[in-house]
Amino acid sequence: LAKTTQPISMDSYEGQEVNITCSHNNIATNDYITWYQQFPSQGPRFIIQGYKTKVTNEVASLFIPADRKSSTLSLPRVSLSDTAVYYCLVGPVDTPLVFGKGTRLSVIA
Amino acid sequence: ETGVTQTPRHLVMGMTNKKSLKCEQHLGHNAMYWYKQSAKKPLELMFVYSLEERVENNSVPSRFSPECPNSSHLFLHLHTLQPEDSALYLCASSPGGGLPGQGAEETQYFGPGTRLLVL
Repeated sequence: LAKTTQPISMDSYEGQEVNITCSHNNIATNDYITWYQQFPSQGPRFIIQGYKTKVTNEVASLFIPADRKSSTLSLPRVSLSDTAVYYCLVGPVDTPLVFGKGTRLSVIA
Repeated sequence: ETGVTQTPRHLVMGMTNKKSLKCEQHLGHNAMYWYKQSAKKPLELMFVYSLEERVENNSVPSRFSPECPNSSHLFLHLHTLQPEDSALYLCASSPGGGLPGQGAEETQYFGPGTRLLVL
């Protein structure tokens, strides 16, 4: 599975757009990029998944450049309830994923 | 509510006790997982079951014993645990068989976890 690197923590004020970038230089052709969100004392929750270009859903957007060696999770207008740990995972869609340490996002009022 | 339930939500046990954690999924999924999450550490995959058969065991100590009687239920039997086993234990399920190369969707749906404290 491709190794991922993402910032350990980020801070943001309410109402701002937050972009969390994940590096995955050795991503393979059949690898997808998946992001999960985890609130304290809860299990992770699937946010978004993509292969290339841009994917958008009601929660977030995922931007993937042409070389796919990185990806950016974009959270529009964050609120206090978006404070959580965000995990970037890379691997084939049909393989159990391995979670890293994630990015701890703190949203400040 | 993800369709994956876990009981109990909290558990305190002594090192000589035997207890079991239960996970149930109502999603019709074929694969189920146990994870351990210690404080300020990444999630650690413990066991993977695909179609009720164990397909992966990431070198977990024998004091943790999984059981998957059917595709909807998963247990983790605990005995003679150590204080360092105190953690959040998470169960997850996914639609596909959990096996590489099957081409099935493996987005994982997590339960709320069991917070375990070993004294």
